[in-house]
Amino acid sequence: SQQGEEDPQALSIQEGENATMNCSYKTSINNLQWYRQNSGRGLVHLILIRSNEREKHSGRLRVTLDTSKKSSSLLITASRAADTASYFCATVFHLGGSNYGQNFVFGPGTRLSVLP
Amino acid sequence: SQTIHQWPATLVQPVGSPLSLECTVEGTSNPNLYWYRQAAGRGLQLLFYSVGIGQISSEVPQNLSASRPQDRQFILSSKKLLLSDSGFYLCAWSVSRQGWQPQHFGDGTRLSIL
Repeated sequence: SQQGEEDPQALSIQEGENATMNCSYKTSINNLQWYRQNSGRGLVHLILIRSNEREKHSGRLRVTLDTSKKSSSLLITASRAADTASYFCATVFHLGGSNYGQNFVFGPGTRLSVLP
Repeated sequence: SQTIHQWPATLVQPVGSPLSLECTVEGTSNPNLYWYRQAAGRGLQLLFYSVGIGQISSEVPQNLSASRPQDRQFILSSKKLLLSDSGFYLCAWSVSRQGWQPQHFGDGTRLSIL
């Protein structure tokens, strides 16, 4: 089964509210990354948190990582209509050698709708 | 700065026709390159990745093939398309030989098979 699973699948909030998305995984990771995808576009990297970090901030984004629970959360504060997008977590392993393609596993994503 | 170009943006093809999607990267050398397919409302399925010219690894058995004729060019091909090949195809790159680094995506190709 998939390594990364986002929760919820879809989230609808009002502008100004905070949005929280969660990601769970099953095996040890090197790091975990969050990406954003606007409809019909490619993914854009938002933030990377290493396995030895517990929290990271970038602007209105706050990411936490709990390796004991194998879970991460992405918090978007003071949401805006422009934050409407799908958000994906990617769990990243370190396999060594040249197995780079197998390092990333993307979850199915959370569709966030921010209503004006 | 690095950029990634993917074309065409949309493509409508009949069943049984050939396919060629192209991806090029600028501003970096010897990148890791990836092809993904994304079904509607779903996550990404890794199709192929490459760590160098002529080096292609396939992740799933399928009707598609990939080639890397130049350092920063990655091509996704098929000799005969199937209905099940419809989807959103994404190309991505990451820093050479650091598979844990973030991936950078093109804007994708929406492929519809009729």
